[in-house]
Amino acid sequence: DTGVSQDPRHKITKRGQNVTFRCDPISEHNRLYWYRQTLGQGPEFLTYFQNEAQLEKSRLLSDRFSAERPKGSFSTLEIQRTEQGDSAMYLCASSPDRGYYNEQFFGPGTRLTVL
Amino acid sequence: AQKITQTQPGMFVQEKEAVTLDCTYDTSDPSYGLFWYKQPSSGEMIFLIYQGSYDQQNATEGRYSLNFQKARKSANLVISASQLGDSAMYFCAMRDGMNTGFQKLVFGTGTRLLVSP
Repeated sequence: DTGVSQDPRHKITKRGQNVTFRCDPISEHNRLYWYRQTLGQGPEFLTYFQNEAQLEKSRLLSDRFSAERPKGSFSTLEIQRTEQGDSAMYLCASSPDRGYYNEQFFGPGTRLTVL
Repeated sequence: AQKITQTQPGMFVQEKEAVTLDCTYDTSDPSYGLFWYKQPSSGEMIFLIYQGSYDQQNATEGRYSLNFQKARKSANLVISASQLGDSAMYFCAMRDGMNTGFQKLVFGTGTRLLVSP
């Protein structure tokens, strides 16, 4: 069990550029989540996949944000035309589809800075 | 609407002493789960403990225990015998609609715990 991995760990970009982050969940976890965490706040839910199906999507996820999980394994989160307000830590989590409470295991996050 | 409130921005405790981190929640759903996560300076969220709304007993996990008072809608985390490595941010989170497919966790703003020697 290597844990949830995210790439890159840090990304600095200029306003207006597109960025893409990758998340590799724990193998055999079929549930995958994206959260955003700004300074001094707790994580905020963005979206959730069960296998390749995107089942929940927050209103925080504007049209500039898109997430995919094409084969039910890794996931990508793309932000188009980045704005300074997009600067945050983007956290990915995964969980197995068993048990009652389905504890979510988090990755180390990708810290995005938009200049 | 779901809401988690953590009113302590920071807490200090001496090594080997116990500390309680407060969490209150609001939901209209009778079926919900409460989670505590630890976030060290490295940034990774580490799951600590879980309490279900229908659980009869307070959850315990090693040095962590949850003081669950359903009528008061509180789920305080108790850390016994604090260690220097416990210094971190602690987040309370809730997931309601446990009997549905909803998976979203709602987090509080966190409490920063500092353990001194």
